[in-house]
Amino acid sequence: GAVVSQHPSRVICKSGTSVKIECRSLDFQATTMFWYRQFPKQSLMLMATSNEGSKATYEQGVEKDKFLINHASLTLSTLTVTSAHPEDSSFYICSALYRDYGYTFGSGTRLTVV
Amino acid sequence: SQQGEEDPQALSIQEGENATMNCSYKTSINNLQWYRQNSGRGLVHLILIRSNEREKHSGRLRVTLDTSKKSSSLLITASRAADTASYFCATVRNTGTASKLTFGTGTRLQVTL
Repeated sequence: GAVVSQHPSRVICKSGTSVKIECRSLDFQATTMFWYRQFPKQSLMLMATSNEGSKATYEQGVEKDKFLINHASLTLSTLTVTSAHPEDSSFYICSALYRDYGYTFGSGTRLTVV
Repeated sequence: SQQGEEDPQALSIQEGENATMNCSYKTSINNLQWYRQNSGRGLVHLILIRSNEREKHSGRLRVTLDTSKKSSSLLITASRAADTASYFCATVRNTGTASKLTFGTGTRLQVTL
């Protein structure tokens, strides 16, 4: 139980375009999901906390207008990287808060902006 | 930044040896968790230790927590090549309505045959 599915696993996009990443909780309802960014050989940095039915809470330094988060249902949160640039290339990981299990992570999305 | 520090940054051992990783953090915590990440993949939860616990075991894993020193250690005994991965500690502070995970810098473990 407590599985989080993240798609796509890899995406390559052109500079200036937008990319949407989905994070689904498959067998539980997740009122809270988290989005992280990870650079090569570095740790995970929390970008934002996504709450179902309300606005996301962004960490300091994260651009709200660039990283749009939507948590429209109890099983789906999406992260849209708008007007992507090469410096947005990174590994993005979502996680969901699951009552008894703690935190369950998606398998991550490797974004490459060319 | 509230991010914790882990040491060593990288550790290379032979199969069968024990691996010890250390984590230090900066704030008071509710609990501390250890995660494993294979290259380019998501994180797998290994073990959770609460702030009122000092030691916990799970299979070949042993975790200690010293809240007075704000530090934790993860010991993997009798390591295997399949243990090769990055290991992260993460602390949880209850902040308002959502408990956020704050990750340490990670230790890259390489287990060779």
